Amino acid sequence: NAGVTQTPKFQVLKTGQSMTLQCAQDMNHEYMSWYRQDPGMGLRLIHYSVGAGITDQGEVPNGYNVSRSTTEDFPLRLLSAAPSQTSVYFCASSYSGQGSGTDTQYFGPGTRLTVL
Amino acid sequence: AQSVTQLDSHVSVSEGTPVLLRCNYSSSYSPSLFWYVQHPNKGLQLLLKYTSAATLVKGINGFEAEFKKSETSFHLTKPSAHMSDAAEYFCVVSDEANYGGSQGNLIFGKGTKLSVKP
Repeated sequence: NAGVTQTPKFQVLKTGQSMTLQCAQDMNHEYMSWYRQDPGMGLRLIHYSVGAGITDQGEVPNGYNVSRSTTEDFPLRLLSAAPSQTSVYFCASSYSGQGSGTDTQYFGPGTRLTVL
Repeated sequence: AQSVTQLDSHVSVSEGTPVLLRCNYSSSYSPSLFWYVQHPNKGLQLLLKYTSAATLVKGINGFEAEFKKSETSFHLTKPSAHMSDAAEYFCVVSDEANYGGSQGNLIFGKGTKLSVKP
């Protein structure tokens, strides 16, 4: 198993540009999520999905869109990039969709995004 | 609502000495608690988790944590630090809010950077 994969590893954008961060998992996990990591802030939840076709907002959803058309993929879209979105983005997945607070979440290697 | 407080942003120890990383949580429910480790420029790896079974939880690489409900604490310890333990450590609580779908969400502390001196 490749686990959770993310592409690209690094990206530089200009203010106002749009892009999609890719996330895929091959473990047949129902739950997938996106976090951003900023210095001194820990990780904060952006969006999550408990299964194909179901998504919901996390703590910091503004400026981001997600969709979940398949179990395997959970892309994160930046609609109009802003310097405040400069961060490291992590995708994660776990087995169950609901009632699964005990499940281990598996993290991808991260995407380091800079918005100029 | 759940929250996590990591009491030290930076801890420095000498190789071979004990490690203590402190974490307090706030939860209205019986929480699920985790410690994750992040080595420089890497993703996050699960060290251990507490899910209402034994209060002393053993994890990978010699780490363990004890759940103390009376103190609302979940401190991470290791008897003898190794240079390879230098990393950032996150205490995490699972969001068990009582609305559909959110139970898998994680709430992270702000992290503790562990430095290990030779």
